[in-house]
Amino acid sequence: EVQLVQSGAEVKKPGESLKISCKVSGYTFSNYWIGWVRQMPGKGPEWMGIIYPGDSDTRYSPSFQGQVTFSADKSINTAYLQWNSLQASDTAMYYCARQGVTQQPFDYWGQGTLVTVSS
Amino acid sequence: DIQMTQSPSSLSASVGDRVTITCRASQSISTYLNWYQQKPGKAPKLLIYAASSLQSGVPSRFSGGGTGTDFTLTISSLQPEDFATYYCQQSHSLPRSFGGGTKVELK
Repeated sequence: EVQLVQSGAEVKKPGESLKISCKVSGYTFSNYWIGWVRQMPGKGPEWMGIIYPGDSDTRYSPSFQGQVTFSADKSINTAYLQWNSLQASDTAMYYCARQGVTQQPFDYWGQGTLVTVSS
Repeated sequence: DIQMTQSPSSLSASVGDRVTITCRASQSISTYLNWYQQKPGKAPKLLIYAASSLQSGVPSRFSGGGTGTDFTLTISSLQPEDFATYYCQQSHSLPRSFGGGTKVELK
């Protein structure tokens, strides 16, 4: 059974750093892209980008380029989304999701990680 | 970037109704169009991919169509569990943008 399990909710202050995780099971981690999706309160999903764990090839949306960093650790089947300096506007639910080969949809999703940034 | 526009943004319907949601791309995306369903507090769920292919396990009352810039998601007979928000997403070009959503509510 394919599963993507994300780390728990986080409450941070502006300027702090954060790394959230997405641990996968039930398939070969290296062979599928992992995407990250932001959903701000009451809004629709926003595509942040994707990473291919096999070679760490990464594609960022221009809206998020330079604001976040994707990484993956093949030894523990885990993908990460990282911020170096959070802002209040980063408050949102963040989802990881699996994508097959190029131009495939997100077919399996994590349960989401709620990130709250508040002073 | 490709912009995805859904209409309507919300609709009210009754159980058993036929419901159609539309999604328009700002440029041609062939059939690289996906539909997701999202319920409150849950992750989106893939319903339709490649414009008209039904994801495994999704009821056959859901169907998708279209090509180029105009697409539809149809629910042939609305069921109580179908009240949710629906999003389209293009997978033609990076970034893979989503539509703004259509909330299907009980009339």
